[in-house]
Amino acid sequence: EAGVAQSPRYKIIEKRQSVAFWCNPISGHATLYWYQQILGQGPKLLIQFQNNGVVDDSQLPKDRFSAERLKGVDSTLKIQPAKLEDSAVYLCASSFGPVKGTQYFGPGTRLLVL
Amino acid sequence: KQEVTQIPAALSVPEGENLVLNCSFTDSAIYNLQWFRQDPGKGLTSLLLIQSSQREQTSGRLNASLDKSSGRSTLYIAASQPGDSATYLCAVNGGRDGNKLVFGAGTILRVKS
Repeated sequence: EAGVAQSPRYKIIEKRQSVAFWCNPISGHATLYWYQQILGQGPKLLIQFQNNGVVDDSQLPKDRFSAERLKGVDSTLKIQPAKLEDSAVYLCASSFGPVKGTQYFGPGTRLLVL
Repeated sequence: KQEVTQIPAALSVPEGENLVLNCSFTDSAIYNLQWFRQDPGKGLTSLLLIQSSQREQTSGRLNASLDKSSGRSTLYIAASQPGDSATYLCAVNGGRDGNKLVFGAGTILRVKS
């Protein structure tokens, strides 16, 4: 079974530029999550989708971050404009159902904002 | 707001030692607790998931316990090996923060050969 796919794996941008990350979850998984992991910290949930609807985006900085999950499969996370403090690893995860199911994580996209 | 703390932040042990990693959380109204492993430059791998009604889970050399009332979990690794070197993360699901995983900062483990 293929795992969660993410691209790109690495990205370096200047502050105030925009960047987008892509995630393809495990086939059949209805729930998709985006996490931000700053160096030395645990992952923090940014947004959770159930199919193509948003379940929780309470920790998403909506003035600069946006995410969508068209057709309930792939998802993109965008940052515009980027700030230095956005440097982090962005992890995508998926699960068969919400709440209690095991989440499977992708390898992450490592973002460096200069 | 749910807060998860992991102690120690880092641990270095010789190969073959048994070791314990600790996790504590502030809100005991959880659905489950998971232990993850994270290797450098890679995503997270789920090791063990303990439902709120369970006391422990075992997988090979790993044993995780949960004391929900006191807000504590431990991950026990028996006969540690250099391949166990990684960051171990504890995450709780549920509580008054809603249905989402809240992670600790992790314990960086190094097993020396």
